Amino acid sequence: QVQVVQSGSELKKPGTSVKVSCKASGYTFTSYSMNWVRQAPGQGLEWMGWINSKTGKPTYAQGFTGRFVFSLDTSVSTAYLQIISLRAEDTAVYYCTRDGALATYDYWGQGTLVTVSS
Amino acid sequence: QSALTQPRSVSGSPGQSIAISCTGTSSDVGGYNYVSWYQQHPGKAPRLMIYDVTKRPSGVPDRFSGSKSGNTASLTISGLQAEDEADYYCCSNAGWYSIFGTGTKVTVL
Repeated sequence: QVQVVQSGSELKKPGTSVKVSCKASGYTFTSYSMNWVRQAPGQGLEWMGWINSKTGKPTYAQGFTGRFVFSLDTSVSTAYLQIISLRAEDTAVYYCTRDGALATYDYWGQGTLVTVSS
Repeated sequence: QSALTQPRSVSGSPGQSIAISCTGTSSDVGGYNYVSWYQQHPGKAPRLMIYDVTKRPSGVPDRFSGSKSGNTASLTISGLQAEDEADYYCCSNAGWYSIFGTGTKVTVL
């Protein structure tokens, strides 16, 4: 069965970096892109972008260019989200989700809470 | 890339039907038949309920249905049940990107 498991919660200081992992199993990892979605406390879902699991090419939504980096390690079926120069407003739950087709996010990780506080 | 517009809240009694609207533009909802809906309970990850406007994934009860007219998509829940109380989000493909709705809190009275 398909599973998507993310790394645990992180508490970081402003200006530092964080790397969230997203390990997939139960399907051919390179056959489906992986998308990232942010949910700030008490707020809605925000699409951050996606990474082509076959080519490794990332695509970022407006507002997520520059400090956000998507990457892959296909040898361990894992996608990564790195956030550089963390700010307090980056505090949120970050989800990875498999794209079954266009805007069809069929399997989700459990979410990773990133808290940025001094 | 503004979020799609949903009502902030919708409520209904058990057994009733409710509908949640999701309004976009001709560049997203109106331009593509790739609208999906997600249910999210507090502290949980979203769950896919509807995709490609009207299709239901395996395991989703048939009381959930989707439709679209012009730039507005809708999710209808027939025979509302207590476990349907949750937040609901629409999502549309818009070419190279996706866009989520603002979210609707469904309350079962």
